[in-house]
Amino acid sequence: DTAVSQTPKYLVTQMGNDKSIKCEQNLGHDTMYWYKQDSKKFLKIMFSYNNKELIINETVPNRFSPKSPDKAHLNLHINSLELGDSAVYFCASSLGTSGTGELFFGEGSRLTVL
Amino acid sequence: AQSVTQLDSQVPVFEEAPVELRCNYSSSVSVYLFWYVQYPNQGLQLLLKYLSGSTLVESINGFEAEFNKSQTSFHLRKPSVHISDTAEYFCAVTLKTSYDKVIFGPGTSLSVIP
Repeated sequence: DTAVSQTPKYLVTQMGNDKSIKCEQNLGHDTMYWYKQDSKKFLKIMFSYNNKELIINETVPNRFSPKSPDKAHLNLHINSLELGDSAVYFCASSLGTSGTGELFFGEGSRLTVL
Repeated sequence: AQSVTQLDSQVPVFEEAPVELRCNYSSSVSVYLFWYVQYPNQGLQLLLKYLSGSTLVESINGFEAEFNKSQTSFHLRKPSVHISDTAEYFCAVTLKTSYDKVIFGPGTSLSVIP
């Protein structure tokens, strides 16, 4: 059973389109994250939710909107896609305030904007 | 502000040779320390962590890291690398005052040459 699963694994789309990536964790964790990994492998945190509440919102364009319907799910919707949005997006989870910050990652969703 | 530095962006090493990947951090508060590994086209997974106690920690596949508080370092070592160790390695810290915020280094790409 996959602990953190995200879909789809690959996304190829045109500029200007809207797309969503879904993430689910079955670890019972309180906190979930979205990270963006660029072509140089640099990891940048985008958002973090704790029990459905937004707790980290880094400098990310408004075109990116996270949604957490419950603490086991965190989705990412991207409007009006741009070439610079091409990257691998990772979902992760952690125990949150009762833990040490150890992260459990999904396999990633590779987004290519043409 | 807290930060994590990995001075070596790429480390090529011959099979069965020893390797050290360097990690330094700066923080005004106590931290937990982690090394994550990312194999090609996969998500990140925890390699080892330092929470407290013995400053030398080991992983199941032969890696070890030593926490040095005075030098604010957490270097990763392996006495004899294998082809399968080829991957991206990320050092990360979590502030003990804020378990939800994980700060990653820029990563070191380890290439093992047959």
